[in-house]
Amino acid sequence: GENVGLHLPTLSVQEGDNSIINCAYSNSASDYFIWYKQESGKGPQFIIDIRSNMDKRQGQRVTVLLNKTVKHLSLQIAATQPGDSAVYFCAENAGGTSYGKLTFGQGTILTVHP
Amino acid sequence: DAGVIQSPRHEVTEMGQEVTLRCKPISGHDYLFWYRQTMMRGLELLIYFNNNVPIDDSGMPEDRFSAKMPNASFSTLKIQPSEPRDSAVYFCASSLRNNEKLFFGSGTQLSVL
Repeated sequence: GENVGLHLPTLSVQEGDNSIINCAYSNSASDYFIWYKQESGKGPQFIIDIRSNMDKRQGQRVTVLLNKTVKHLSLQIAATQPGDSAVYFCAENAGGTSYGKLTFGQGTILTVHP
Repeated sequence: DAGVIQSPRHEVTEMGQEVTLRCKPISGHDYLFWYRQTMMRGLELLIYFNNNVPIDDSGMPEDRFSAKMPNASFSTLKIQPSEPRDSAVYFCASSLRNNEKLFFGSGTQLSVL
């Protein structure tokens, strides 16, 4: 059939709930990970990052968890607000000869209902 | 700081025309990146510079695309000749050092008719 584009995962939550957005990465050499938020018509905005020597990092209302064993990254948003509605991307820096450039995941659409 | 500044915000052109996108990175940032975003392929890295020198241009689609960074405060991405399949949002980003977070501009929405 016709390829109409990426089919992004979606997450729909109620205002005040906690949200968890997941990301799987494939390159075991990746040593730096970032979460970005992109609102409609805007560029990606940095949320939080984590290096491979850590498994958890907290920011304001957000927590990133890294599980290197299964190559999994998650973003937890506490007390989700309507303003959190956006597309969320994980990105990885693969290191080695790819050092310096980020590879982005396809994104997850988060919708927060008032 | 005003952040990464891109111009124009929107560009509509006809197939075959030359298109030039512009970017001013955050002052003091050593790395500059050009990304393209489409519904079909998501965010793709086209090229990145370190201290004005192109480091990796393996993402540049074909010879119709070229990028320059004549100085630390300015970069251009040129498409000549443009084609409808080039229609996308083009983002410029900069980072202070290697392996650190990127700061993105607001993007240029390019439509090639």
